[in-house]
Amino acid sequence: AAGVIQSPRHLIKEKRETATLKCYPIPRHDTVYWYQQGPGQDPQFLISFYEKMQSDKGSIPDRFSAQQFSDYHSELNMSSLELGDSALYFCASSSQVGGGSTDTQYFGPGTRLTVL
Amino acid sequence: AQKVTQAQTEISVVEKEDVTLDCVYETRDTTYYLFWYKQPPSGELVFLIRRNSFDEQNEISGRYSWNFQKSTSSFNFTITASQVVDSAVYFCALSESAGGTSYGKLTFGQGTILTVHP
Repeated sequence: AAGVIQSPRHLIKEKRETATLKCYPIPRHDTVYWYQQGPGQDPQFLISFYEKMQSDKGSIPDRFSAQQFSDYHSELNMSSLELGDSALYFCASSSQVGGGSTDTQYFGPGTRLTVL
Repeated sequence: AQKVTQAQTEISVVEKEDVTLDCVYETRDTTYYLFWYKQPPSGELVFLIRRNSFDEQNEISGRYSWNFQKSTSSFNFTITASQVVDSAVYFCALSESAGGTSYGKLTFGQGTILTVHP
């Protein structure tokens, strides 16, 4: 079965540079979530999109922005990178069902960002 | 606000032992969803189980079993006859329902590092 695809898998950047992470959800999934996992930490929710519109926002720095495109893939743009942005970034996708039901989020393999 | 607590930071067992990972949650919603994910050393997050707040039936899947008790706000995970391949970080997570349409962001516990020795 198709899984969530993330690219690149590894990324090394210098401070103050810009990075773009890409996420391709499971086919027919309409919701994408981004999470950040620091070393030894649990994943923290950043932002989500449902049918190409931002649906929820967590602790995402103003330096970060994201969008979901017409083909449902999503990109997380990170500018003015700081050392503290070094983390594993996960994308997850799910298929939302109306009426308050929550479907399972399936995670991609993650992008490991290192800021030097 | 929702919160998930996994009080056990690390657990170490010898192969074939049974092990239980504890998870306690807090939420004001009456409709919510609980999950367990496994994160092996390779780093990916692997979905194990999803439970909604109206279904308190315990579940067994092979060597894995889950005990959901609303009265104590707990959703514990037991591995029977543990194996070295079970070594990983295990996360319990909670998602609340938001009005008529749930967007389902996950709140994770701190994770429990399980090491199974041969």
